Amino acid sequence: AQSVAQPEDQVNVAEGNPLTVKCTYSVSGNPYLFWYVQYPNRGLQFLLKYITGDNLVKGSYGFEAEFNKSQTSFHLKKPSALVSDSALYFCAVRDLYSSASKIIFGSGTRLSIRP
Amino acid sequence: NAGVTQTPKFQVLKTGQSMTLQCAQDMNHNSMYWYRQDPGMGLRLIYYSASEGTTDKGEVPNGYNVSRLNKREFSLRLESAAPSQTSVYFCASSPQSQPQHFGDGTRLSIL
Repeated sequence: AQSVAQPEDQVNVAEGNPLTVKCTYSVSGNPYLFWYVQYPNRGLQFLLKYITGDNLVKGSYGFEAEFNKSQTSFHLKKPSALVSDSALYFCAVRDLYSSASKIIFGSGTRLSIRP
Repeated sequence: NAGVTQTPKFQVLKTGQSMTLQCAQDMNHNSMYWYRQDPGMGLRLIYYSASEGTTDKGEVPNGYNVSRLNKREFSLRLESAAPSQTSVYFCASSPQSQPQHFGDGTRLSIL
């Protein structure tokens, strides 16, 4: 069975500091991993994905994510946070060779950046 | 760029009423999805359509029906609304390989 966990409901960071939003996953085969961001009253927007290859994936708005196979983690990172990064972030996973409908979303982490 | 368009944006229903949520995409994607988003629970898949003419149940299909009218449009129908169906509903589309593109949602309250 597939699962994804976002252990923190909320992450608070000062503007200019580095940020990390955590995600761990479980799949039976090879993972296909995603991060999405949701702003108030909007749908989810794709940030980045990992299929294979380099463990550090770069995405939109200066975000990156580090894939760690041994720890089954895919943490989202940014070197210097902006107030405009404040939003709800979702990690998602599916088995690479499963149907696209089998994607599972985490419960979300609210990121708050204080000026 | 319209992307995925959902109508209506807001709706209030009484228990037992029916309604259809509309979704259209202009990206020529084969796959379309309906999700509901509830606080602390992420997104849960209601129904999925891999291509025109096909639909499959997701994690929480009870109380809902769908129609894939053509490649562009995928509607979600509540035949007899219940308070437990109060939620934010998102439609999404994707090419064969994700990622998904989401609409801005329909906020549905059932009294």
